[in-house]
Amino acid sequence: EVQLVESGGGLVQTGGSLRLSCAASGFTFSGHWMNWVRQTPGKGLVWVSRINGDGSNIAYADSVRGRFTISRDNAKNTLYLQMSSLRAEDTAVYYCTRTVVGFDSWGQGTLVTVSS
Amino acid sequence: DILMTQSPDSLTVSLGERATINCKSSQSVLSSSNHRNYLSWYQQKPGQPPKLLIYWASTRESGVPDRFSGSGSGTDFTLTISSLQAEDVAVYYCQQYYSLPYTFGQGTKLDIK
Repeated sequence: EVQLVESGGGLVQTGGSLRLSCAASGFTFSGHWMNWVRQTPGKGLVWVSRINGDGSNIAYADSVRGRFTISRDNAKNTLYLQMSSLRAEDTAVYYCTRTVVGFDSWGQGTLVTVSS
Repeated sequence: DILMTQSPDSLTVSLGERATINCKSSQSVLSSSNHRNYLSWYQQKPGQPPKLLIYWASTRESGVPDRFSGSGSGTDFTLTISSLQAEDVAVYYCQQYYSLPYTFGQGTKLDIK
């Protein structure tokens, strides 16, 4: 069974940093593109970033480029999102998702709250 | 960016009746190379992550009941629930994965009448 478990969320001050992790199991992690998607009540679902299986192909949404860094450790079956220079508008539930066709598996999400 | 617009924003349907949700993209998501529409539908119930229902605009994900169907091509798409069940109460999203940034519709909230 595919499992994705996010961790690392919490309350952080404006301008601060946070690293999210997503532990994957039940599938060959290194063989899949992975994404981060965030959700706020006001803005719905927003794609944040994606990374291919070996980490050589990465893309970001304009709103986070230069502030967030996606990475993966295939030996640990773990996806990461390093977030810095956090803003109030980054407040959201962050999901990691697996790509097969569309986003076929989602974690339960981790809440990030950015407050001054 | 490709803008995805769903209609209606909310919908109430009686049990056993048909529910129809529309999704329009600001640009075509049909690939000329493989003739596939890069369009997915997701269902999100309260307190849960989204769940993939449909990909390639009309292919049901494994385990999804056949009362769910997707149709459309190019820029206009439809998710149909043929006979609404109580467990179908949720918010439904369309998403394009044709080009970056991947974008979602704003969601359609489906309730029972």
